[in-house]
Amino acid sequence: DADVTQTPRNRITKTGKRIMLECSQTKGHDRMYWYRQDPGLGLRLIYYSFDVKDINKGEISDGYSVSRQAQAKFSLSLESAIPNQTALYFCATSDSDRPGELFFGEGSRLTVL
Amino acid sequence: DAKTTQPTSMDCAEGRAANLPCNHSTISGNEYVYWYRQIHSQGPQYIIHGLKNNETNEMASLIITEDRKSSTLILPHATLRDTAVYYCIVGQYNFNKFYFGSGTKLNVKP
Repeated sequence: DADVTQTPRNRITKTGKRIMLECSQTKGHDRMYWYRQDPGLGLRLIYYSFDVKDINKGEISDGYSVSRQAQAKFSLSLESAIPNQTALYFCATSDSDRPGELFFGEGSRLTVL
Repeated sequence: DAKTTQPTSMDCAEGRAANLPCNHSTISGNEYVYWYRQIHSQGPQYIIHGLKNNETNEMASLIITEDRKSSTLILPHATLRDTAVYYCIVGQYNFNKFYFGSGTKLNVKP
């Protein structure tokens, strides 16, 4: 099983729908992140969390919210999806002892029609 | 965080060394250089990082110039499986935000 698991892997939805992407990890890391990648571009940070009680906005947090339900779980929500949120979403984790070594999940491809 | 500049793409023959440059002329004294790669649309993979000294691990070597304004990632014997986008990132060790640019697309050819 993957160390960082994202669900769903693929999702097609309609404008205005609420969507939740889930991430769980078995690495025991305290830090978790959500990134977004658009075609041909690099990754952009949406939100990050250094522990269960610490959540911070990243570069592009508008239109998104997150929940850190436990050390191992970090969910990303789109309250009302819009077409320009169509993208590949990645969850990542790292340990505070080696903070720059991120471990990424396999990605969740979201299409908003 | 300091910005980085990388070539858009590079080619390398299989079995030869791949040398990927990165310019980070505005790097500050406490910022590290990190390298990641992304194969197709998979999640990025950590490769190596360094502060001042050259570093080597089982995947690659990282050469940082003495003034720290540039660095080179070296894949000593590139294989077809090394075809990927390589990202050079500069950030503080206790990083809170990593900014991935567009990276360098490395094409390893037979």
